[in-house]
Amino acid sequence: VIWMTQSPSLLSASTGDRVTISCRMSQGISSYLAWYQQKPGKAPELLIYAASTLQSGVPSRFSGSGSGTDFTLTISCLQSEDFATYYCQQYYSFPPTFGPGTKVDIK
Amino acid sequence: QVQLVQSGAEVKKPGASVKVSCKASGYTFTSYDINWVRQATGQGLEWMGWMNPNSGNTGYAQKFQGRVTMTRNTSISTAYMELSSLRSEDTAVYYCARGFLGGLGGDAFDIWGQGTMVTVSS
Repeated sequence: VIWMTQSPSLLSASTGDRVTISCRMSQGISSYLAWYQQKPGKAPELLIYAASTLQSGVPSRFSGSGSGTDFTLTISCLQSEDFATYYCQQYYSFPPTFGPGTKVDIK
Repeated sequence: QVQLVQSGAEVKKPGASVKVSCKASGYTFTSYDINWVRQATGQGLEWMGWMNPNSGNTGYAQKFQGRVTMTRNTSISTAYMELSSLRSEDTAVYYCARGFLGGLGGDAFDIWGQGTMVTVSS
């Protein structure tokens, strides 16, 4: 089983900030990584897959990078609707696994 | 539009079983795998298993082997997840999600159901 860590677990930021969330794998996964956003009481929504491919309809302020074991999600200019919890997920190796999440809240 | 609509909340006693449904619309049901992911209150996401609606083939996380069964009815574009021998730790929101990439060992999920709250309590 591939395990992942996310950092930070909690990120306090202001509207307009540039924020970066990291996801590190216990072993290499090439680019088989997705990022999701989840708001309270709602299902997760896919933001990025294949480490850096933006899902259709997702604003361009979201971007992803990395390969192997280290990945990053960047929000270039934080908007009010971006305050949420973000999860990374690997789909390189069975079973697919999720990171523990990073909550982005208002500073 | 493409969507997955799940059945409503359930309350079950320990030892019982629960069966959650997930109805697909807006796309060809048999063309994409259906996965199940659960989330305990205030916790992270936990993948449970997948099913190929075309073949009926399934794959389950080791943690749930022997307790979970994933099935489908293609005539009504509906997938089902049944979890047996329920215990309090199974209290969670259960999501179905469409896998759309077919990766080496799993998939990413582009469409999610709204979630079904399952409460296990005596």
